[in-house]
Amino acid sequence: DTAVSQTPKYLVTQMGNDKSIKCEQNLGHDTMYWYKQDSKKFLKIMFSYNNKELIINETVPNRFSPKSPDKAHLNLHINSLELGDSAVYFCASSQDTVAGGRYNEQFFGPGTRLTVL
Amino acid sequence: AQKITQTQPGMFVQEKEAVTLDCTYDTSDPSYGLFWYKQPSSGEMIFLIYQGSYDQQNATEGRYSLNFQKARKSANLVISASQLGDSAMYFCAMRMDLKLVFGQGTRLTINP
Repeated sequence: DTAVSQTPKYLVTQMGNDKSIKCEQNLGHDTMYWYKQDSKKFLKIMFSYNNKELIINETVPNRFSPKSPDKAHLNLHINSLELGDSAVYFCASSQDTVAGGRYNEQFFGPGTRLTVL
Repeated sequence: AQKITQTQPGMFVQEKEAVTLDCTYDTSDPSYGLFWYKQPSSGEMIFLIYQGSYDQQNATEGRYSLNFQKARKSANLVISASQLGDSAMYFCAMRMDLKLVFGQGTRLTINP
């Protein structure tokens, strides 16, 4: 059983298009994240939701809009795609209990490789 | 602002040797967590090991151990008896608040 799943795995599209990436976790976690990994492999957080509420928004262009219909899903919609949006996008989730520590481990999805032509 | 630095862009090691991957961090918060993740060529992110800032002992998970030197703000990953399957990118990350801040990564290549 996949813990954190993302669809699609690959996405090739033209500049200017609008696209969505879906993420689902079946771990019962409260917090979900979107990370972007650029061509140099650098990983940076974009957004985080806790129980459907946005709690982190890291200076991401407003063309990127996350949506969390419930705490098991966090989708990423991107408007007016640009060449610089080409990257691998990772969804992740964590429990984030008061206990903290190891229990805040983030479980990552397989990634979505977005290519903008 | 917190920062994570991995100074080794690439490392080459002979199979069965031990390898140390460096990680230094910078934070003024006394409470933080440090993680190491492995990213093989297939692309997924695999959790390896965790060290909390208040943990008294260095973390160990099988062949992975963390050399945590709090005063030096370093959290180096040690892989004992390296295997060909250890070839991958390795990321050090620090957790503060609810987000992970990642280092630049180290590409480890194990030679037969």
